[in-house]
Amino acid sequence: NAGVTQTPKFQVLKTGQSMTLQCAQDMNHNSMYWYRQDPGMGLRLIYYSASEGTTDKGEVPNGYNVSRLNKREFSLRLESAAPSQTSVYFCASSYGQSSGNTIYFGEGSWLTVV
Amino acid sequence: RKEVEQDPGPFNVPEGATVAFNCTYSNSASQSFFWYRQDCRKEPKLLMSVYSSGNEDGRFTAQLNRASQYISLLIRDSKLSDSATYLCVVEVSGGYNKLIFGAGTRLAVHP
Repeated sequence: NAGVTQTPKFQVLKTGQSMTLQCAQDMNHNSMYWYRQDPGMGLRLIYYSASEGTTDKGEVPNGYNVSRLNKREFSLRLESAAPSQTSVYFCASSYGQSSGNTIYFGEGSWLTVV
Repeated sequence: RKEVEQDPGPFNVPEGATVAFNCTYSNSASQSFFWYRQDCRKEPKLLMSVYSSGNEDGRFTAQLNRASQYISLLIRDSKLSDSATYLCVVEVSGGYNKLIFGAGTRLAVHP
């Protein structure tokens, strides 16, 4: 069972470069999320998509854009990467509104911006 | 002040020890509570939900004190495989229910 799959797993970017993190889920979930995790801090929500065709800002959306391409896929784009965006990024999905016992995470993407 | 606070640890304990983690939350609209486990360089995974009456799952016991806005996790008879970071997670009700993650408490169980 694939669950939530995100790519790439590791990426090094130079300041100012752009990139897209891809995420796909095969559980027929309606809601999808992008989080970032930094040392000493809990996971913070960047953007979420409650259903296909909708996206909303989370706690830390600045510097990011998202696209809910279809029910399965939710991508995160960094238009002009900054060192402050060095982080671990987790995509997640859930059937309905995020509930802590029904949300599933991808394996994470380690991004370093130099 | 962080909305969910945890002692970062690390807690270094021998196998077989009992260890307790605490978590406090500040948002009174919090309605559901969870403990997650995160292994090094892996994604978080649900360990257990936390119910008002307290609940147990094998060697793990979770407690909730809504009046004090405090959650705890007790691990009995620690195993080497329990070594991980334990995340306290609070769900806040609203137009869109929001999960708030603590930074985690690291546990290292040694032989």
